[in-house]
Amino acid sequence: ILNVEQSPQSLHVQEGDSTNFTCSFPSSNFYALHWYRWETAKSPEALFVMTLNGDEKKKGRISATLNTKEGYSYLYIKGSQPEDSATYLCAFISGTASKLTFGTGTRLQVTL
Amino acid sequence: DVKVTQSSRYLVKRTGEKVFLECVQDMDHENMFWYRQDPGLGLRLIYFSYDVKMKEKGDIPEGYSVSREKKERFSLILESASTNQTSMYLCASILGSRDNEQFFGPGTRLTVL
Repeated sequence: ILNVEQSPQSLHVQEGDSTNFTCSFPSSNFYALHWYRWETAKSPEALFVMTLNGDEKKKGRISATLNTKEGYSYLYIKGSQPEDSATYLCAFISGTASKLTFGTGTRLQVTL
Repeated sequence: DVKVTQSSRYLVKRTGEKVFLECVQDMDHENMFWYRQDPGLGLRLIYFSYDVKMKEKGDIPEGYSVSREKKERFSLILESASTNQTSMYLCASILGSRDNEQFFGPGTRLTVL
C-alpha cells in the first residue's frame, strides 16, 4: 500500500489568514495527484487534478503546486473565509495503478 | 451536473445481518468505487468496478462483496455485518481516464450494533 501523508492533521485560523497544507507521496512512478474538499454533511468535491511536475493550478482563492521529483504538493488558501472550513484530501495515483490512494486529510477550521 | 446517490444517509444494523448499500450514478461513468472513512485513517478503497459485471478488490475487501449488474448501479454487500464495519461508506464514480476527478456520493453512516 502506497504511503500518502498530509500535514498538518488539523488547523485553526482566523478569517482573513492565509494558510497552506502539504501532501507527500512517493516520488517514483508518479501519474497524477488529486485534491478534494470535504465539507461536513456534504460529498467530497474535486478541487484539482494535477499531472505535470511544476503544475500550478488556481480556483478562486485556492491554489496548488506540484513537485513530482521530490514527492509533494502544496495547497494554499488566500484570505481564509468561514466557508473554507472543511477537510482537504489529497490522493495519489501511481503509473501502474487504476485507483487513488488517499491521505488522511487536513481539517481546516476558519473562525471569525 | 453529475449526481451520485446512495440509498441511505444513516443505517443501523445488528451483528450478523446482511447489509446492502446501493450507489447510483447518472452520468454513464464506467468506473465506480466503494470506500470507507474512519477517523485517522483516510479514505480506504474496498472494491472498484471498471465495467458491468467486472470488479476488483481494493485495499480492504475482507468481509465485503460487490455487485454491478447495470452500469449506473454499484452495490456493496456486507454478508454478515460485524461491529468493526461500523463506518462511513462513500461511493464514487469517474468517467474513463484516471486523469479525471472522482464524483462522490453523500455517504452512508453505518452503525453495526
